[in-house]
Amino acid sequence: NAGVTQTPKFQVLKTGQSMTLQCAQDMNHEYMSWYRQDPGMGLRLIHYSVGAGITDQGEVPNGYNVSRSTTEDFPLRLLSAAPSQTSVYFCASSPKTGSAFFGQGTRLTVV
Amino acid sequence: EDQVTQSPEALRLQEGESSSLNCSYTVSGLRGLFWYRQDPGKGPEFLFTLYSAGEEKEKERLKATLTKKESFLHITAPKPEDSATYLCAGGFSGGYNKLIFGAGTRLAVHP
Repeated sequence: NAGVTQTPKFQVLKTGQSMTLQCAQDMNHEYMSWYRQDPGMGLRLIHYSVGAGITDQGEVPNGYNVSRSTTEDFPLRLLSAAPSQTSVYFCASSPKTGSAFFGQGTRLTVV
Repeated sequence: EDQVTQSPEALRLQEGESSSLNCSYTVSGLRGLFWYRQDPGKGPEFLFTLYSAGEEKEKERLKATLTKKESFLHITAPKPEDSATYLCAGGFSGGYNKLIFGAGTRLAVHP
């Protein structure tokens, strides 16, 4: 029972590079979300999706893009990486009414 | 502005010394209050969901309670393996995938 799978676990980028963080869930959940976690702060919502083809912005969307072509996958794209995007990124999925389940995270460093 | 505040930031207990963690919230249209446990380098692990004032839920040495303004996570006779960061989050109208997190309480239980 895999749950929510994120890849890669670690990544180092140079300023200006782009990359995609992958997230897949096998629980057939309708909702998926991306959060970032910074020291001393709570998790903050970046983007979320309520179903395939439907996405919306969260609290801190600038510099990130998402799309949701299938129920299972919800990739997060960094368009032009900046040092301020150094963080730990978590993907979560949840049913329409119920708790969110989180992946193990991607630790991203932008130099 | 919707906000979730956790206290204390850090708590050190002796094994067997019971205590409580606090989560206060100002989330309009609160539909659920969530507690998670997070171990270093891992994603948040779901513990409890509380939906209405007066509700209580228990799991082993943990009990979560909810009032109209705050939630408490009571830890009874803790063990060293209870050491972790405990996160509180509010889910508001619009979906459980849009969570507002507190910054967490780091709990250390010493033998």
